[in-house]
Amino acid sequence: DTGVSQDPRHKITKRGQNVTFRCDPISEHNRLYWYRQTLGQGPEFLTYFQNEAQLEKSRLLSDRFSAERPKGSFSTLEIQRTEQGDSAMYLCASSPPTDYEQYFGPGTRLTVT
Amino acid sequence: DQQVKQNSPSLSVQEGRISILNCDYTNSMFDYFLWYKKYPAEGPTFLISISSIKDKNEDGRFTVFLNKSAKHLSLHIVPSQPGDSAVYFCAALYNFNKFYFGSGTKLNVKP
Repeated sequence: DTGVSQDPRHKITKRGQNVTFRCDPISEHNRLYWYRQTLGQGPEFLTYFQNEAQLEKSRLLSDRFSAERPKGSFSTLEIQRTEQGDSAMYLCASSPPTDYEQYFGPGTRLTVT
Repeated sequence: DQQVKQNSPSLSVQEGRISILNCDYTNSMFDYFLWYKKYPAEGPTFLISISSIKDKNEDGRFTVFLNKSAKHLSLHIVPSQPGDSAVYFCAALYNFNKFYFGSGTKLNVKP
């Protein structure tokens, strides 16, 4: 098992552009989470999937943010019309069906110029 | 609304001594609490957890204590080792599907 992977690891984009990040969870983990982390802060919950169903969404996830997990395996997080305030580390985590401990990926660092 | 707080941004401890990291929370409905360790340029790594119905859980050098009346959680590391130097986050699970994280405490274990 290779752990949770995220792609890309770094993304630099200009304000107003759309970006999409991908997360591949550990196989057989049915739960998947997205977080945003800024400097000096802990991970901030964005959204949660159980299999392909999006069961929880933070108010932080404005209409510019959308996440999908179409087949209950990998997930994508899209940010439309990026703003400088979107610059952050975006973390993905997955959990097995029988436990609540999360396994985090290395994150995607987004810089909006 | 910051429901989970770690009020000490940093802690320095001598190797071999005990490290105590603290965490306070406001929501008495949290189901589960977890501690994570994070090294630079890596995602957080799970350390230890405790259910809200328990008051202590131990795993090797790591022990987590939960004081529900005080809404307080602590992580004890004994003995501390230089490799324990990292940022530690506490997290709380609400409704079994949403996690709240504290802002982290940077632990430095001096050789």
